[in-house]
Amino acid sequence: AQSVTQLDSHVSVSEGTPVLLRCNYSSSYSPSLFWYVQHPNKGLQLLLKYTSAATLVKGINGFEAEFKKSETSFHLTKPSAHMSDAAEYFCVVTPSNFGNEKLTFGTGTRLTIIP
Amino acid sequence: DAMVIQNPRYQVTQFGKPVTLSCSQTLNHNVMYWYQQKSSQAPKLLFHYYDKDFNNEADTPDNFQSRRPNTSFCFLDIRSPGLGDAAMYLCATSRDLEGREPQHFGDGTRLSIL
Repeated sequence: AQSVTQLDSHVSVSEGTPVLLRCNYSSSYSPSLFWYVQHPNKGLQLLLKYTSAATLVKGINGFEAEFKKSETSFHLTKPSAHMSDAAEYFCVVTPSNFGNEKLTFGTGTRLTIIP
Repeated sequence: DAMVIQNPRYQVTQFGKPVTLSCSQTLNHNVMYWYQQKSSQAPKLLFHYYDKDFNNEADTPDNFQSRRPNTSFCFLDIRSPGLGDAAMYLCATSRDLEGREPQHFGDGTRLSIL
């Protein structure tokens, strides 16, 4: 069985300060991990993905995430928050050796940016 | 740009009146998915097509049906919408079912039930 836990349902940061959104996973198989962002009334947009290559993954809009197998974590970071980063963020896991219809979503983290 | 397009963006229907949501893609992906997303929740997979093969999730109500007439289009039919079916419906595609392939989402259709 696999699961994803997003440790914070809501994160608020000031514009220009670092962002940290936490994600822990469990999977019986070698996982693929994704971060998606969802702006209000929009679909989900892929930020970045980990698929067993480099453990530090760079994504769009200055985001990056580090896969830490020993900690079963895949936290999302950004050095300096921008107002346009305000959105809902989903951490997603799928076992690499099964179909991606079996992907599991975290419950989401709402990121608020304080001007 | 290649993309996933959902129409309409907003749909209002009456309780019990059938409704169809549409999705088209220019990515030429083999797999198309339909998700239901309620407020402040993660998307919930309803079903997916791999090419013409239909795969229903075990807990998807019979009230929800889908059609995929060709590679580019996929439809979600709700036969008798209830108040609990008010939600955002998201269509997504992926190149195949390999776990490493990301899914590409449309902007969704927000369905309201009167």
